[in-house]
Amino acid sequence: KNEVEQSPQNLTAQEGEFITINCSYSVGISALHWLQQHPGGGIVSLFMLSSGKKKHGRLIATINIQEKHSSLHITASHPRDSAVYICAVRGYNTDKLIFGTGTRLQVFP
Amino acid sequence: KAGVTQTPRYLIKTRGQQVTLSCSPISGHRSVSWYQQTPGQGLQFLFEYFSETQRNKGNFPGRFSGRQFSNSRSEMNVSTLELGDSALYLCASSLGLHNEQFFGPGTRLTVL
Repeated sequence: KNEVEQSPQNLTAQEGEFITINCSYSVGISALHWLQQHPGGGIVSLFMLSSGKKKHGRLIATINIQEKHSSLHITASHPRDSAVYICAVRGYNTDKLIFGTGTRLQVFP
Repeated sequence: KAGVTQTPRYLIKTRGQQVTLSCSPISGHRSVSWYQQTPGQGLQFLFEYFSETQRNKGNFPGRFSGRQFSNSRSEMNVSTLELGDSALYLCASSLGLHNEQFFGPGTRLTVL
């Protein structure tokens, strides 16, 4: 079993829909990252959080440390949100980043 | 402020050769991390450097090595290339070890 699991693996949405991507992890962590990767490879860091909730524009990230779970929400989705979203955790003991396998999101107009 | 730059962007090598990839961090950033991304294994951590010292290393064979210079620029080297080393190699910089990371565009290495 992977230490970081994401669901769903693939997600298709219509423009304007509310989207949720989930990340569960099995190790103790010091921080959790949400990353966005567009076709072509470039990765953008969306959030780094260790507790609570963060919001940036239409994106919201939450984390529940006790349940070892985080969610990334996209409100009013747009075709430009189409990308792979990757969850990564920094292990508390190893201090290394461990990545999920990513969620491929396609938003259609 | 310029972003993270990586050179070269694309590279084709043959088995047995060695390769050196370069990463220039954002000005003022002192930490550089390297990652390998393949379709089969996804993103995997290679190394992390801070102030010219390797602070952490992933589970890769000794053929993978790296270093960081006094200006925070970093290089990684892969010797005796294997077909399985074909991947996108990404570098990321941050102010310190546990800060938000900013990724470069990557170097796509193809081993024939």
